[in-house]
Order: sequence, then C-alpha cells, then structure tokens
Amino acid sequence: AQSVTQPDIHITVSEGASLELRCNYSYGATPYLFWYVQSPGQGLQLLLKYFSGDTLVQGIKGFEAEFKRSQSSFNLRKPSVHWSDAAEYFCAVGYDALNFGKGTSLLVTP
Amino acid sequence: GAGVSQSPSNKVTEKGKDVELRCDPISGHTALYWYRQSLGQGLEFLIYFQGNSAPDKSGLPSDRFSAERTGGSVSTLTIQRTQQEDSAVYLCASSLFPNTEAFFGQGTRLTVV
Repeated sequence: AQSVTQPDIHITVSEGASLELRCNYSYGATPYLFWYVQSPGQGLQLLLKYFSGDTLVQGIKGFEAEFKRSQSSFNLRKPSVHWSDAAEYFCAVGYDALNFGKGTSLLVTP
Repeated sequence: GAGVSQSPSNKVTEKGKDVELRCDPISGHTALYWYRQSLGQGLEFLIYFQGNSAPDKSGLPSDRFSAERTGGSVSTLTIQRTQQEDSAVYLCASSLFPNTEAFFGQGTRLTVV
C-alpha cells in the first residue's frame, strides 16, 4: 500500500545539537517529496522540496534533506538546532494527491 | 489573492447541525486539497480537486462529508449532521500544479458540542 512513514513521533534534542528526522515512503515510482513545519498555533510552512536532480536539497531556516532512492527515504537534517525550531514536522509525498506522514514533534531543550 | 483564505476561522455548532467551510485558493492554482487535523494528530487527507477532473474523494470519512469546487476556484466542504468526532481543524491547501508544493490556509477550527 502507498504510504508515508515518519517513525519518530517525538524527538528531543539539546539546543545547538544536530537533528535528523526520518521519512520513508512506499510508492511505485519516485514521487515529489516535501517537508513542512507547523509551529504552535501557526499554519503549515514549506521547508523544502525535491522533484528531481541533486539529491541533497537546501531549504529555509538552515534545513536540508537528502533523497535516497535505494532506501525510499527523504530525511530532514539541521546541523545546529535553535530553540525556535521546536515544532511539528511533516513529511509529504506528491503522487496521486499530496499525502502526509503523521508528523514528528520536536522538543528543544536548553 | 495573496494566500489561501479559509472561513470561518472558528465554528462552534451543535451536534446534528450541518456546517459549511469555505476555502479561497490562490488565484490560478489548479489543485485544491482538504485535510483534517485532530488534536495532536497528523493531516488526514479528505478530498482533492484537480482542474476539471473528477475529484478524488477517497479520504472522506463518511457520506456526511461532501465538497465542491465551483468554477475551478472557491471550494466548500459540507458536513451534514455533525458529530462530536468531527471536531478538528479543517485545512485547505492549493498548488499551481498537481502534487507540487501546496500552500495552506490557516484552517477552520470546528467544535461540535
């Protein structure tokens, strides 16, 4: 079945530490891939997207993601997390429609 | 418009009543999506409109839910005979082309009492 999986429901990192949020998908072909962020009380904002080409994509707020076809993954990374990065992060796949994972809640500790 | 606009921003209704939620997408965007987000949950896909094609209704949870998109622009999500489990934030998004980056409205928070 077609699906988008974010294995980690909650992640806690210390401010200044590196971050990696996982996303795996199961589709017949390589879909379009996205990461969105939803800060408390805010709407959804696009962080970055992958359509084709270079498998390492840069986004806003210092985020990047790497597409790995062999692993059907599109993991989100940031070298140094800031307290303001605490939010809900959603991976999304554009194929028949735009389908979202269940999200990963990021907590940043001092 | 400048962004996706949803109205009302908040709606409180009594169980059993019908409600209509409105979405004004970004002008020129061909694709329009509706999602439901319950407290602490992810985005549940409801329905997808693309141009003049028949909508993908595969995510609608019951026949109490329906949606239409008039003139390829404004969309209305209707929930008939609302139930308490319908309480959630209903999000609308639009994109220029199918399956490309979607821009979201601020949502309608529906509370069924």
